[in-house]
Formats: sequence, structure tokens, C-alpha cells
Amino acid sequence: RKEVEQDPGPFNVPEGATVAFNCTYSNSASQSFFWYRQDCRKEPKLLMSVYSSGNEDGRFTAQLNRASQYISLLIRDSKLSDSATYLCVVDFTGGSYIPTFGRGTSLIVHP
Amino acid sequence: NAGVTQTPKFQVLKTGQSMTLQCAQDMNHNSMYWYRQDPGMGLRLIYYSASEGTTDKGEVPNGYNVSRLNKREFSLRLESAAPSQTSVYFCASKAGPQETQYFGPGTRLLVL
Repeated sequence: RKEVEQDPGPFNVPEGATVAFNCTYSNSASQSFFWYRQDCRKEPKLLMSVYSSGNEDGRFTAQLNRASQYISLLIRDSKLSDSATYLCVVDFTGGSYIPTFGRGTSLIVHP
Repeated sequence: NAGVTQTPKFQVLKTGQSMTLQCAQDMNHNSMYWYRQDPGMGLRLIYYSASEGTTDKGEVPNGYNVSRLNKREFSLRLESAAPSQTSVYFCASKAGPQETQYFGPGTRLLVL
């Protein structure tokens, strides 16, 4: 079983919609959590870190549920430019230098 | 700051040829990484260097070697390229455990 799992999608939504992605992780010792965005044929870029209390950045909200071992990303008022693949990343405890990436969730926002 | 830079951007090789992919970062990061990404697959770690002077195998190290030349530079070498190594290669760096990872723009490699 992969350590970090995501629904690959694609999620196909109209402009203005609200969409949410979940990501589950298997290692309960996980310490740090991130969402990255990857555009087609480009490098992954940090979208936002995920904090225990949850955090928001404009239209994007990230939440962490340690009891159920998942993180979520909510995108409100979707824009065409939000179309991308969203990667969930988990860093485990113990001074691990190797972040674990999910395979990504594809989002397509259409007019 | 340029961040993480990679050269070349594109490369075509014939089976059996060798080449070195270069990566450099100017953020004074301790850890550096090489990944490959194939269509429909996630990022797979080839090798990483937790700090200057150390290197370790990742998930898919066969057919590759690495050198952490100094704190800034981390190169990936293909000694005898195979078609299965056709992929997009990303270099990344981060300051330390649980810090944000930053990626280079990638090298697109085609092995014929």
C-alpha cells in the first residue's frame, strides 16, 4: 500500500465551482504536510503548507485530520487557471530527508 | 536568486551513450534530490543527498550514479543510457527535514 494516496481524478468542474481533494497517509508519525501544484510539463511548485489548525490562502483552504490521517485542499470559486495536477506531500518524523509524494489529483476547470 | 537550475533542458541520446545532468541551487540548501517522472506516474526518487558529502539511493537508483560536487551542485550520470530511461528528470533541494522542497525546471531526456 502506497504511503500517500490521492484520487487521480480528473475532477472536471465549471468555473466558479468549489472543489475539494483529499489525500490519505499511512504513517502516523508524519510531521509536515504540503500541497504542491504541477502544471503540464512543468516542475512542481509549493501551493501551501498544511498546519494542524488548518490554514487559508485566498481561495485555497488546507486542513489536516491527524486522527483519520488525511489532509484536504478546498478550492473556492475555481478559475480556468486552477487547472493543474495537485500533489500531496508528507514528511515523516525522525529527521527524514525524503518527502513522500502522492501521485497527484488532476483538476480541469472548464468555462 | 535563480533557485534551482538544471542543464540541459532537453537531450536526445542513443542507447548506450552516457551523459551527465547538472543541477545547482543558490539557496544554501543542505539536501538535494533527483527524481524522474513518467506519464501517468508520480515522482520517483532516484538518489538524494541529505547533506554535502553524503549520497543515498532512492526508489529507482539502477542505471544511475550521482555526485554531490559541493553544497550547491548535485549531478546525475547515466553511464549507458537505455530507452527505459526516457523520462523527465527533476532536481530539487530543501534546507532540511520537513522544510519546503524547491524544484528545478526539469530535463527532458529521450533515449532512442
